[in-house]
Order: sequence, then structure tokens, then C-alpha cells
Amino acid sequence: EVQLVESGGGLVKPGGSLRLSCAASGFSFSRAWMSWVRQAPGKGPEWVGRIKSSADGGTTDYAAPVKGRFTISRDDSRNTVYLQMDSLETEDTAIFYCFTTVLVGTHRRPSWGQGTLVTVSS
Amino acid sequence: EVVLTQSPGTLSLSPGERATLSCRASQSVSSSYLAWYQQKPGQAPRLLIYGPSSRATGIPDRFSGSGSGTDFTLSISRLEPEDFAVYYCQQYDSSPYTFGQGTKLEIK
Repeated sequence: EVQLVESGGGLVKPGGSLRLSCAASGFSFSRAWMSWVRQAPGKGPEWVGRIKSSADGGTTDYAAPVKGRFTISRDDSRNTVYLQMDSLETEDTAIFYCFTTVLVGTHRRPSWGQGTLVTVSS
Repeated sequence: EVVLTQSPGTLSLSPGERATLSCRASQSVSSSYLAWYQQKPGQAPRLLIYGPSSRATGIPDRFSGSGSGTDFTLSISRLEPEDFAVYYCQQYDSSPYTFGQGTKLEIK
């Protein structure tokens, strides 16, 4: 069974930094493309960014609002993906979810973690 | 970027009725990479349908998905009281992965 467990959320001041972690199990992590999704209070979900598998180059993509401030990395030896968030803004306040897909037959099934809350406030 | 537009924004129906929710993409999306979620207040989004017609584990068969290309539909055959919530579609075919703005299904 796919399990994604996020950690590292908390309260941080504007301009500050925070690093989130997502520990994965139940699937072949090294082959998986991993993403982060966030949901601000009262808003719909928003994709934050993605890191491809090392076999596919390990490259990253980011949503425009976070590009240049957020960095996604992975440690395949620990089955963990990270989200480094710098220059945080109050608009970054959200629940952050780890996201991946697993192949089921010919389709890719999404999986989410339970989320970790990040609050940016002075 | 693939823009997903959901309609209607709000759908008012009674328990027992059929609900039909639409998700239209600005460009073609592989049907293997389209999902629907249900979200209730204070809860994380719950996966209902992926692929776009495969039900996730534990999802009742009154939920069904269909569509291809740019037009996708989530249908709920007979609404139960617990089905009243917000529904989102998501494409994960191309980066950036995107979500629709949501359809709120409310009790009439």
C-alpha cells in the first residue's frame, strides 16, 4: 500500500525558510516522479512542483508563484522527497501535500499524503 | 499550461437525484492522467476516480467517470447525503499539473 507521510510544517515569519519532508513507502520510490501540492485556506489545490526519478534525469519543474524560492530534492536511499521553501510569503500559508502516481494496469493512480500545515505570519 | 474549467460552479440537487459534473481542458489530456476528487470541510481531497473511469479503492459504484480528449464527466447516479461536497478534477499528463476550480454540490 502506498504511504506518503509529510513532516516539517509549522509557523514561520515572512521572509523565513522551512524544509518539508515526505517519507514514502509501498512502491518503488526510486522510479517515481514526486510532486508537492498545496491548498491555501478556502482555496482549491495548487500544484507546487515536481522532481523526476533519477533514471529520468532527476529534473525539477515548479509552478510560477514559487519558482526561484522553492527547491525540491530527493534522497532515494531514504525514500524521501524534500521541499525547501525560502523567502516565504504570507500567501504561502497552506497545507502542503506530497503527491505521486503509481501504475495500475494501464493507468496511473494518484496518491496523496495526509498533509502538513505551513503558516507564514509575523 | 492545461487549464481545466469545471461546470457548473455550484450544483443544487436533492438526495436520490443524479449529478453530472463537467471538466473541460484547454488542450487534449491523456485520459490515463485525469482524476476526480471529493473534498469536505476540514478534510484532505479524497480520490474518487482516475484514468478517467477507474474507481479508487472503497468508492461506491454510484460514482462513475468518463470522457476523453478535452471533455470529462463525473456522474453520481443517486445522491446520498454524504455526497454533498466540493469536487475537483486534476490532470497530471503534463507539467504544470493543474486542477479545476471546483464544483460545489449542495443540497437543494
